[in-house]
Amino acid sequence: DGGITQSPKYLFRKEGQNVTLSCEQNLNHDAMYWYRQDPGQGLRLIYYSQIVNDFQKGDIAEGYSVSREKKESFPLTVTSAQKNPTAFYLCASSLGGPFEAFFGQGTRLTVV
Amino acid sequence: DAKTTQPPSMDCAEGRAANLPCNHSTISGNEYVYWYRQIHSQGPQYIIHGLKNNETNEMASLIITEDRKSSTLILPHATLRDTAVYYCIVRVVNTGTASKLTFGTGTRLQVTL
Repeated sequence: DGGITQSPKYLFRKEGQNVTLSCEQNLNHDAMYWYRQDPGQGLRLIYYSQIVNDFQKGDIAEGYSVSREKKESFPLTVTSAQKNPTAFYLCASSLGGPFEAFFGQGTRLTVV
Repeated sequence: DAKTTQPPSMDCAEGRAANLPCNHSTISGNEYVYWYRQIHSQGPQYIIHGLKNNETNEMASLIITEDRKSSTLILPHATLRDTAVYYCIVRVVNTGTASKLTFGTGTRLQVTL
């Protein structure tokens, strides 16, 4: 089945540790995105990539890093510089232009 | 991208039509209206989008006013599974560019028996 896979669904880390969230898609989409959602809030854009080996900062990129070495994969690293990393992280992909974005089921990160 | 205003919450009886309003009075001519919904603790799901004309698909209908300053998402026969947060988003669309979406806090629709 085509879709976007985020893993793991739940992730726990100690404060000060970097952690990488996985996002894979087999929809042959060029564009991929990472969003963060805090309780009771909408989604905020962290990073996006329109094509392999290219990515752009979103609205809240500080403390995060990404890579786009393959079309299918867009991992997000939450670094120790991110002050409030505990959140629900969502990955999405799209064909770009007017086409809709498809979202994964999210990773809930808890930093203790 | 233009900002949107939605009521924070709405209720709807199961089997009735749910009409979710969205105000986007500062929308410009090249901005589309998109609707997504998010069921608790899941990723958002695309519902429908439009530019000027009304649109309908298997999930919902989108009614855009003639001046494009507001729109209404209609779920014709709401079920309990339609309970979710509904987001109205407007964005400029350029061919080949990323579909960056700016999410507000949406409308929490509660469908009841």
